[in-house]
Amino acid sequence: SQTIHQWPATLVQPVGSPLSLECTVEGTSNPNLYWYRQAAGRGLQLLFYSVGIGQISSEVPQNLSASRPQDRQFILSSKKLLLSDSGFYLCAWGVGGGEQYFGPGTRLTVT
Amino acid sequence: AQTVTQSQPEMSVQEAETVTLSCTYDTSENNYYLFWYKQPPSRQMILVIRQEAYKQQNATENRFSVNFQKAAKSFSLKISDSQLGDTAMYFCAFMKRGGAQKLVFGQGTRLTINP
Repeated sequence: SQTIHQWPATLVQPVGSPLSLECTVEGTSNPNLYWYRQAAGRGLQLLFYSVGIGQISSEVPQNLSASRPQDRQFILSSKKLLLSDSGFYLCAWGVGGGEQYFGPGTRLTVT
Repeated sequence: AQTVTQSQPEMSVQEAETVTLSCTYDTSENNYYLFWYKQPPSRQMILVIRQEAYKQQNATENRFSVNFQKAAKSFSLKISDSQLGDTAMYFCAFMKRGGAQKLVFGQGTRLTINP
């Protein structure tokens, strides 16, 4: 069966510090991968998606970036965090049937 | 661009009652999927049910069923015999079929099941 992992689960970082969140998927090949952000009490906003290694599409201009160095690994990064980057970050994977399956998420607080 | 609207920010019902959550969407696409996701306090997003737009038959998963009205662009979720474990945020989502298959979410409905 397929599983998706995210780490860390919780992160507190000062403004201006770098960020690296990692997502890995097991049990499937060549999945579409997605990064979403959820502000408190709100819906999810798509940040990045990838349909293959090295292929990244950005949905929202911001100081975040994403990379996919391996088929089942998706990384969300920032060189300098802003207060507005605080939120709950969710990684998801999907294949052709339409469904997306989500990881447990990372709660990021920028202080 | 597609939009998804959930007009009920919060709902509360007694255990064992039936509850219906509303969702409307706006799109010019003809081939798409619609979903309901559940987010309990753990914040894990869990897929509840999926509907393919070309199918007229409403999807059902155990106690969960949908009322899909394509012409009206309406996609409501009915939870029968509600249980305490159904307490969660519920999100309606739209996905255009094909391509990158990106989800567009509504703002969510917070559902509380009272004992």
